[in-house]
Amino acid sequence: EIVLTQSPGTLSLSPGEGATLSCRASQSVGTSNLAWYQQKPGQAPRLLIYGASNRATGIPDRFSGSGSGTDFTLTISRLEPEDFAVYYCQHYGSSPLYTFGQGTKLEIK
Amino acid sequence: HLQLQESGPGLVKPSETLSLTCTVSGGSISSSTYYWGWIRQPPGKGLEWIGSIYYSGSTYYNPSLKSRVTISVDTSKNQFSLKLSSVTAADTAVYYCARSPSRYLDSSGYSIDIWGQGTMVTVSS
Repeated sequence: EIVLTQSPGTLSLSPGEGATLSCRASQSVGTSNLAWYQQKPGQAPRLLIYGASNRATGIPDRFSGSGSGTDFTLTISRLEPEDFAVYYCQHYGSSPLYTFGQGTKLEIK
Repeated sequence: HLQLQESGPGLVKPSETLSLTCTVSGGSISSSTYYWGWIRQPPGKGLEWIGSIYYSGSTYYNPSLKSRVTISVDTSKNQFSLKLSSVTAADTAVYYCARSPSRYLDSSGYSIDIWGQGTMVTVSS
């Protein structure tokens, strides 16, 4: 089973700053199988990035994903107030079919 | 556009069976392109995939829950359902139904692209 470890657990930044969120897999995974989600309080997660680097429909271009092998990154170039949320990485595999990281909380400094 | 809506009891007693239904609107559950699944999130914690089903009835379960989980599909009602047996307080969570592709799609990869709003289920006597 693939284990995803996200860091940091909490990231405190100000609007306008850039954010870098990390997701490390316990073994090498295909880039096609890695996604990122944003979740705000009381809401379902929303797909941001799929295939490690492809923005989902309607996602602003300040969000970008990169990485390969075991190390993946979600970058938010200029934080907007609405970007403060919890972010999860997710892997599509075989068993289990879907595995999530534990999440990174992006909070306003 | 396609929407998912969970329904079911918000309170379940310990040792009993949790039962939830997800109704799909704006599209067909019989699509060969997608899995239909359940994901849960305990209060203040992260996301856990429970299992998924294909329109044909093929199922895929999280090994950690497999012995207690049954997911079924009713194509005539455009619904799929979750049963989780022998629940304990540790099963208290928001339960989401969701759609994900069964093959790589240019529009969403292998990711979970549509989620229901979620329903809170509390296990308590």
